[in-house]
Amino acid sequence: AQTVTQSQPEMSVQEAETVTLSCTYDTSESDYYLFWYKQPPSRQMILVIRQEAYKQQNATENRFSVNFQKAAKSFSLKISDSQLGDAAMYFCAYRSPGTASKLTFGTGTRLQVTL
Amino acid sequence: GAVVSQHPSWVICKSGTSVKIECRSLDFQATTMFWYRQFPKQSLMLMATSNEGSKATYEQGVEKDKFLINHASLTLSTLTVTSAHPEDSSFYICSARHSGTGGRIQYFGAGTRLSVL
Repeated sequence: AQTVTQSQPEMSVQEAETVTLSCTYDTSESDYYLFWYKQPPSRQMILVIRQEAYKQQNATENRFSVNFQKAAKSFSLKISDSQLGDAAMYFCAYRSPGTASKLTFGTGTRLQVTL
Repeated sequence: GAVVSQHPSWVICKSGTSVKIECRSLDFQATTMFWYRQFPKQSLMLMATSNEGSKATYEQGVEKDKFLINHASLTLSTLTVTSAHPEDSSFYICSARHSGTGGRIQYFGAGTRLSVL
């Protein structure tokens, strides 16, 4: 079974600075999807960014980018120019291909953004 | 982006009663929907996978007779907590897999806070 590990329970960043959230996973599959979801205090889960394992290029969405290292099974999220609205719980997630496959979530990292 | 509507957002009920939670994909079809439970300051725990027109697949340890799931259409899945007890109090989240994206993207509802007195 796949596992997802987020080793940072909490992180803090100053407004306008950059922060990187770590995620590692364990799998024997060669094709899969990786995701970062954000859960603000409202508890609405929001998709931040996704990466297909077969793509070597790192995904980018505005201020959010990932560093995908397939061999190392690492999938970190970089948030640039941090804003107060970025404060939330961030979950890394793994999914196998196939319509019936399930998301496996990490334990989450709580990000605080300070002035 | 795609919207998943979950209703109600908060429900309080007496012990022994049943509660139904609805999950609708508003602007896309979802052959597969998921139900999660989230305890305070913890990650999401998958309860069951709901496929349109067929029986739900429950995760190990989840009582299927207690948590009834119905996925009668491509846009609606319901979770009924039967004979609720205080230990069922939790935050329940539904999620729908967007069929139009080849199932690659999964969108989440805003969750339902269940409080059983």
